Amino acid sequence: EAGVAQSPRYKIIEKRQSVAFWCNPISGHATLYWYQQILGQGPKLLIQFQNNGVVDDSQLPKDRFSAERLKGVDSTLKIQPAKLEDSAVYLCASSSSVGGHEQYFGPGTRLTVT
Amino acid sequence: KQEVTQIPAALSVPEGENLVLNCSFTDSAIYNLQWFRQDPGKGLTSLLLIQSSQREQTSGRLNASLDKSSGRSTLYIAASQPGDSATYLCAVKPAGNTPLVFGKGTRLSVIA
Repeated sequence: EAGVAQSPRYKIIEKRQSVAFWCNPISGHATLYWYQQILGQGPKLLIQFQNNGVVDDSQLPKDRFSAERLKGVDSTLKIQPAKLEDSAVYLCASSSSVGGHEQYFGPGTRLTVT
Repeated sequence: KQEVTQIPAALSVPEGENLVLNCSFTDSAIYNLQWFRQDPGKGLTSLLLIQSSQREQTSGRLNASLDKSSGRSTLYIAASQPGDSATYLCAVKPAGNTPLVFGKGTRLSVIA
């Protein structure tokens, strides 16, 4: 079975520019997660979707970050405008449902903001 | 608030050694605990998932144990190999509708 796909793998932008990341979860997985991982830290959840509805976005900086999962399959995460502190790896994960089901991660997108 | 701590932060061992990575968490009300491996510049690969009712899980040379009452988990790697070099992350799924809480990881280097 195909894993979680993410693109692009790397992105370098200047501060105040905008950027978007794309994720396609494992086929049939209803739950999709976006995480931010700063160098030397564990991943931090930004937003969780169940199908096309938001379950948890309490840690998403909503003044600059947005995410959508319009058809309940793939998802995009956008940052506008970017700040230096947004430099991180953005990981997408999926699971078969909410709760304690095992999460499967994509390869991540490494964002550098200069 | 659940907090997850991993000790040591970094570990270097010669090839062939058996080793133990430690993970501790502050709230024993968990749904499960998951160990991940992360290679440089890559995403996370799930290694083992232990449900709160379980004491341990095994996969090949890996064995993970869970002592929920003391808030501890260990990942045992037998006969380590250079290919085991990576960062190992522990994550706890708290009870209720709350997200995974990750530790900062242990960076393992296995020297040939």
